[in-house]
Amino acid sequence: QVQLQESGPGLVKPSETLSLTCTVSGGSVSIDGYYWTWIRQPPGKGLEYIGYVSYSGSTNYNPSLRGRVTISVDTSKNQFSLKLSSVTAADTAVYYCATGRAWFDPWGQGTLVTVSS
Amino acid sequence: DIVMIQSPDSLAVSLGERATINCKSSQSVLYSSDNKNYLGWYQQVPGQPPKLLIRWASTRESGVPDRFSGSGSGTDFTLTISSLQAEDVAVYYCQQYYSTPLTFGGGTKVEIK
Repeated sequence: QVQLQESGPGLVKPSETLSLTCTVSGGSVSIDGYYWTWIRQPPGKGLEYIGYVSYSGSTNYNPSLRGRVTISVDTSKNQFSLKLSSVTAADTAVYYCATGRAWFDPWGQGTLVTVSS
Repeated sequence: DIVMIQSPDSLAVSLGERATINCKSSQSVLYSSDNKNYLGWYQQVPGQPPKLLIRWASTRESGVPDRFSGSGSGTDFTLTISSLQAEDVAVYYCQQYYSTPLTFGGGTKVEIK
């Protein structure tokens, strides 16, 4: 059973780049046909799809993030990562990593990232 | 983008009673080539990540109690909890995977009356 765990800074300053990593255990990020996704949830609000990366490195991003997002996979570390540039307070959220590009299962526990000076 | 609208925003149901959650998409999520509805349902217990309950609008995931059922087609969908249990208190979300960007409904909070 694949398990996911997010890690990264819990506080990021406005205009800087948010960087998070998702470590995959119980499986390989290199499995053919698997997709690795980031989703976020502002405090007290609903879920927003950020994007996914495939085992081969192909990506799909939510256009609402206007080119600020990069998702990549590191097969040597069995991880995938999220970078979101030029952050503002509106990017404050719990960030989840998950498996899939249609439905999402399983999910990591999530990590809260606060954007504040 | 496909907009997903859930109703009601919240509902309170007595233990053992039925809970019904509605989800409407701004365009059909029924793919004609395979006659499948590209829609899933999730349960989010407070403090936990969402958990996939149902995909293809009505296919329960392994281990999900059979009191949870999904129905509907095209643009109108329903999640039904046939006999509410205390552990079902959560926020429920629908999500379409018919087209990117993948989008979620705003959520329905289910509480005990």
